[in-house]
Amino acid sequence: DSGVTQTPKHLITATGQRVTLRCSPRSGDLSVYWYQQSLDQGLQFLIQYYNGEERAKGNILERFSAQQFPDLHSELNLSSLELGDSALYFCASSRDRLGYGYTFGSGTRLTVV
Amino acid sequence: AQKVTQAQTEISVVEKEDVTLDCVYETRDTTYYLFWYKQPPSGELVFLIRRNSFDEQNEISGRYSWNFQKSTSSFNFTITASQVVDSAVYFCALSEANTDKVIFGPGTSLSVIP
Repeated sequence: DSGVTQTPKHLITATGQRVTLRCSPRSGDLSVYWYQQSLDQGLQFLIQYYNGEERAKGNILERFSAQQFPDLHSELNLSSLELGDSALYFCASSRDRLGYGYTFGSGTRLTVV
Repeated sequence: AQKVTQAQTEISVVEKEDVTLDCVYETRDTTYYLFWYKQPPSGELVFLIRRNSFDEQNEISGRYSWNFQKSTSSFNFTITASQVVDSAVYFCALSEANTDKVIFGPGTSLSVIP
């Protein structure tokens, strides 16, 4: 157990729907990162939050949004889902300095049908 | 801009062979961090090692070793006496000191055949 908890582990939904992925960071970690892993794009950085504030943005679609709550858990919201959004979504957490490296959760596998 | 290249898409070796996974990176920063992660068939991403750009000392951890060479912008990973449990996708990654995001390479899929 890495200490980073992601729920749900699997999610199957239809095109056009909206889903929410949840991440609880490791105890003491203030930063939460979201990544998307698909077969054709590899591991793509989506967004980072640090202590409730958005800190960095990557290749995140406008249909996607995220937030980090006061208890430091984070949610990634995916809306108007398309078949191409099917992927493994990872959350990672770290202490404030990146040099410690990420700790990843086990991921949420999203299948859009 | 940051970039990580892992030219080897797939590698197959027979158990007990040594195998080296290549990683070449690009960055304009003088301060940066390099990482290796392992993704076994179960899917989770496992942190293996972190190096900072000021520490070119090579490192050995059991059957794993890492060769960091700034002159060639490479951070290669060697598994000695490979085992079936080493079968996984291995990702090399880079982060510049002035950003908080880690950029991953495309990964190398390693299959160790018994």
